[in-house]
Amino acid sequence: AQSVTQLGSHVSVSEGALVLLRCNYSSSVPPYLFWYVQYPNQGLQLLLKYTTGATLVKGINGFEAEFKKSETSFHLTKPSAHMSDAAEYFCAVRGISGDGGYNKLIFGAGTRLAVHP
Amino acid sequence: EAGVAQSPRYKIIEKRQSVAFWCNPISGHATLYWYQQILGQGPKLLIQFQNNGVVDDSQLPKDRFSAERLKGVDSTLKIQPAKLEDSAVYLCASSSSGGATDTQYFGPGTRLTVL
Repeated sequence: AQSVTQLGSHVSVSEGALVLLRCNYSSSVPPYLFWYVQYPNQGLQLLLKYTTGATLVKGINGFEAEFKKSETSFHLTKPSAHMSDAAEYFCAVRGISGDGGYNKLIFGAGTRLAVHP
Repeated sequence: EAGVAQSPRYKIIEKRQSVAFWCNPISGHATLYWYQQILGQGPKLLIQFQNNGVVDDSQLPKDRFSAERLKGVDSTLKIQPAKLEDSAVYLCASSSSGGATDTQYFGPGTRLTVL
């Protein structure tokens, strides 16, 4: 079964500082990996996703993530934080089942990012 | 393009009462999902529809929850009777075909409080 662990339920950075949100997954086969962002009182919005090919994935708003199979990680980064980045971020995994189908999207518990001046 | 619409946005009920949520997906999207997001947790899939058929309802508490998607468009999720632990945000999402790499587009959610 697939699972997702997000290290740190709360992360606080200064405006202009590096953002690093950690995500580790467990999957018996190479998974599809996603990062979603949720702003207050809004639904989730896709930031980026890894399916196949290049392991460094670029998304919206300057975010990127790198799929590292050896570390079973898919950490999200942004070189310079903006105040508008304050939100909750969810990592999700969708694994491929043995019959060639795919499993449901499994979300981590989320990391709340605070950006202070 | 209009996004996923949900109503109501907020609902407060007493335990043992009934409640229903409505979702209108993005036009043309074949797949519709209902998720439950409990405070401090990530969303958990309750049910997935492909057109008007159920693909996955393995995590739907069927003794109290029901969902339908008439004509493969709008959907309603019902809870009857509600329990305190049903307090959560109920998110509806849709995707074009339900493929493994498809992007799911989420609505703003309905925040349910059960007293």
